[in-house]
Amino acid sequence: GAVVSQHPSRVICKSGTSVKIECRSLDFQATTMFWYRQFPKKSLMLMATSNEGSKATYEQGVEKDKFLINHASLTLSTLTVTSAHPEDSSFYICSAIGDISEAFFGQGTRLTVV
Amino acid sequence: GDSVTQMEGPVTLSEEAFLTINCTYTATGYPSLFWYVQYPGEGLQLLLKATKADDKGSNKGFEATYRKETTSFHLEKGSVQVSDSAVYFCALSPSGGGADGLTFGKGTHLIIQP
Repeated sequence: GAVVSQHPSRVICKSGTSVKIECRSLDFQATTMFWYRQFPKKSLMLMATSNEGSKATYEQGVEKDKFLINHASLTLSTLTVTSAHPEDSSFYICSAIGDISEAFFGQGTRLTVV
Repeated sequence: GDSVTQMEGPVTLSEEAFLTINCTYTATGYPSLFWYVQYPGEGLQLLLKATKADDKGSNKGFEATYRKETTSFHLEKGSVQVSDSAVYFCALSPSGGGADGLTFGKGTHLIIQP
């Protein structure tokens, strides 16, 4: 299957700082990328959908000013958690869809805000 | 809104045992249904899918049948191996491949003992 690379896999940051997570489709062009968040013992929750070159569509209850999403090219989307707080600590996962309309997932990023 | 409910884990079985992981869903229209698997340290991988009622998805010895009358998509395998130890997620999408984002269950941690 196609490969989606997510970086970093783990990050620890101080409260009040910003953290950027990258999601790259390595061997296909991703027309759409998704960002999910997973709390312990809970489902993956869709945060936002982004299409290359346009603004992301956020799910209800997700703060667009806190979770900045940029999909500047067909192989890269970034999620920036701004002014992070301990409650933002979570596992963030991206997925990407290209021409064959199957979603491929990154390995996830464990964010810990201290 | 759409939702997916799957059995809580962990599920612990001996090698060669029969496996069933229950999954039920609520959705409007005719969603596509998926099982994803997440091995330790890796991203989610599509295990199998079904796009319409009575379809059976199968892969690597795993099977699941799309039952519209019971709104279920239970995952089964006749004889599990230690290498099947992973977290399994049931998911649905309003569209065929997940182009609208996926709604996930909480995941079931499967542990297979030798």
